[in-house]
Amino acid sequence: GQSLEQPSEVTAVEGAIVQINCTYQTSGFYGLSWYQQHDGGAPTFLSYNALDGLEETGRFSSFLSRSDSYGYLLLQELQMKDSASYFCAVSRGGGGNKLTFGTGTQLKVEL
Amino acid sequence: GAVVSQHPSWVICKSGTSVKIECRSLDFQATTMFWYRQFPKQSLMLMATSNEGSKATYEQGVEKDKFLINHASLTLSTLTVTSAHPEDSSFYICSARGPGGTDTQYFGPGTRLTVL
Repeated sequence: GQSLEQPSEVTAVEGAIVQINCTYQTSGFYGLSWYQQHDGGAPTFLSYNALDGLEETGRFSSFLSRSDSYGYLLLQELQMKDSASYFCAVSRGGGGNKLTFGTGTQLKVEL
Repeated sequence: GAVVSQHPSWVICKSGTSVKIECRSLDFQATTMFWYRQFPKQSLMLMATSNEGSKATYEQGVEKDKFLINHASLTLSTLTVTSAHPEDSSFYICSARGPGGTDTQYFGPGTRLTVL
């Protein structure tokens, strides 16, 4: 079966750094994506890793270790607007390259 | 670029009626679109892959006769929930693969369906 596990909730203060982990077990793997979703809104794409290592995009970075079936999203200089749900998703390839989403992490940024 | 729209944004209907949701790629062509449903505080569950000009591919456990998908053009896919019941109430979200065949998916704003 397919499974992607994430912590359900993370709380951090404004200005801090937070890491959201994702461990996966899927049949087929092409890459790991991260999406942000505010309440009632659509998921928005943040980052994608196809190869091992760190990808940096502004305040957000994402890391992948294929041998460990593990990745994380790193958010720096947290802002209140970063409070949202964050999902990792595995691209499984084939048939249009489907995504399997993780369980999601609710990030709360406090003053 | 890579904007996906959905219509309607929310709909309330009576049990037993059918509801059609449209998903459009506004500034690019999408041969493949995806339909998801999401219950409150839960993850996105892929329902089906919509392929332009051919039949949709449904995920295990999704009733294809209940959730009819039509991908009639390169910019439009529709999901029709037939004979809707209260348990079909959910947030339905579509996505499309980005232009140029990238792996990134761009999501529509979602449709909140409430079945009374």
